[in-house]
Amino acid sequence: EVQLLESGGGLVQPGGSLRLSCAASGFTFSDYAMNWVRQAPGRGLEWVSTLSGSEGSRYYADSVRGRFSISRDNSKNTLYLQMNSLRAEDTAVYYCARDFKAGDYVGWFDPWGQGTLVTVSS
Amino acid sequence: EVVLTQSPATLSVSPGERATLSCRASQFISTNLAWYQQRPGQAPRLLIYGASTRATGVPARFSGSGSGTEFSLTISSLQSEDFAVYYCQQYNNWLLYTFGQGTKLEIK
Repeated sequence: EVQLLESGGGLVQPGGSLRLSCAASGFTFSDYAMNWVRQAPGRGLEWVSTLSGSEGSRYYADSVRGRFSISRDNSKNTLYLQMNSLRAEDTAVYYCARDFKAGDYVGWFDPWGQGTLVTVSS
Repeated sequence: EVVLTQSPATLSVSPGERATLSCRASQFISTNLAWYQQRPGQAPRLLIYGASTRATGVPARFSGSGSGTEFSLTISSLQSEDFAVYYCQQYNNWLLYTFGQGTKLEIK
């Protein structure tokens, strides 16, 4: 069974940092591009970042570019999101999601993890 | 950026009836559109990709249609588990993916 399990969320002060992890199982992790998507409380979904399977290419939403960094460790089947200079508006549930197909980016996501909550507040 | 506008924001329908949700793109996106279902407290679940292809395990009562800028998701006979929030997402704008604001489907 394909599974994604996020961890690392919590309460952090504005300007602080946090690193999220997403542990993958049930598929050949290195074959797939991986993504982070977030959802602010009571709001809709916002794509955050994408990383290719080979870790060759990284993409970010304008709202996080320069502050967030996506990476992966294919030997540990784990995706990461390093979040720096956090702002109140970064408060959200952060989901990791796999690209639907192995290989090149496809742009739609399946499956999704259950998410981890990040709260930025003083 | 491609803006997706979903309508209505909330749709009230009785179980067993048909529901049609709309998604309009601010520019041409061909059929590069997906639909997701999100139940309360759960992660989104892929329903449709390529505007009209059902994902594995999705019941046949779910169907997607449209191309260009106008899209719709139809649920032919609503079951209790279908009452949820639905999001459309475009992937035509390469690696600048965007989602609609969602339509809440509630029991009438």
